[in-house]
Amino acid sequence: GQQLNQSPQSMFIQEGEDVSMNCTSSSIFNTWLWYKQDPGEGPVLLIALYKAGELTSNGRLTAQFGITRKDSFLNISASIPSDVGIYFCAGQVNFGNEKLTFGTGTRLTIIP
Amino acid sequence: GAVVSQHPSWVICKSGTSVKIECRSLDFQATTMFWYRQFPKQSLMLMATSNEGSKATYEQGVEKDKFLINHASLTLSTLTVTSAHPEDSSFYICSASGLQELNTEAFFGQGTRLTVV
Repeated sequence: GQQLNQSPQSMFIQEGEDVSMNCTSSSIFNTWLWYKQDPGEGPVLLIALYKAGELTSNGRLTAQFGITRKDSFLNISASIPSDVGIYFCAGQVNFGNEKLTFGTGTRLTIIP
Repeated sequence: GAVVSQHPSWVICKSGTSVKIECRSLDFQATTMFWYRQFPKQSLMLMATSNEGSKATYEQGVEKDKFLINHASLTLSTLTVTSAHPEDSSFYICSASGLQELNTEAFFGQGTRLTVV
């Protein structure tokens, strides 16, 4: 099935650094979602974006819905140890109970 | 956010047996539930979409006779892996979406680790 291209694939950063990751698609999505997955757990929703150009924050996290509706980015400021995990973007074509298409994931590791 | 509970969290079964995984929405009515499979270090791949009271829609390449999905109520969907084989070992995750009045985001269960020996 289709997957969204997410980059970088992995990141190794020091605590306190800012993080940026993005997600691109060859087709348009009308909703973009960002999830975090811890080992052995299901994904947890971080931020949901519903309008092209929208910039939304959730604490230290900020995400933007690209104006072309084919991309999105997620920034994490001042990273802390609990930010470690895998981050997935997901796109949805139509509002409502539509299936999600997931990105390939970005694995974040914090170096002591 | 809404709560989705998946059971069991992990299961080990013998090759050739069937395994049932339950997905429940605890505090909302889930008109649609989704089943995903995730292999180690990979992303989530959608297997099927199920709407309450109707047959599931399977993604291309997913065998509907092997992965039986039932969505008999607005709070429960089940995935049965029939005649399981070692290659079916994976992490299975469900998600649920509510009525239109709720936001569009889907809420995920905690996943089920299936190991077939």
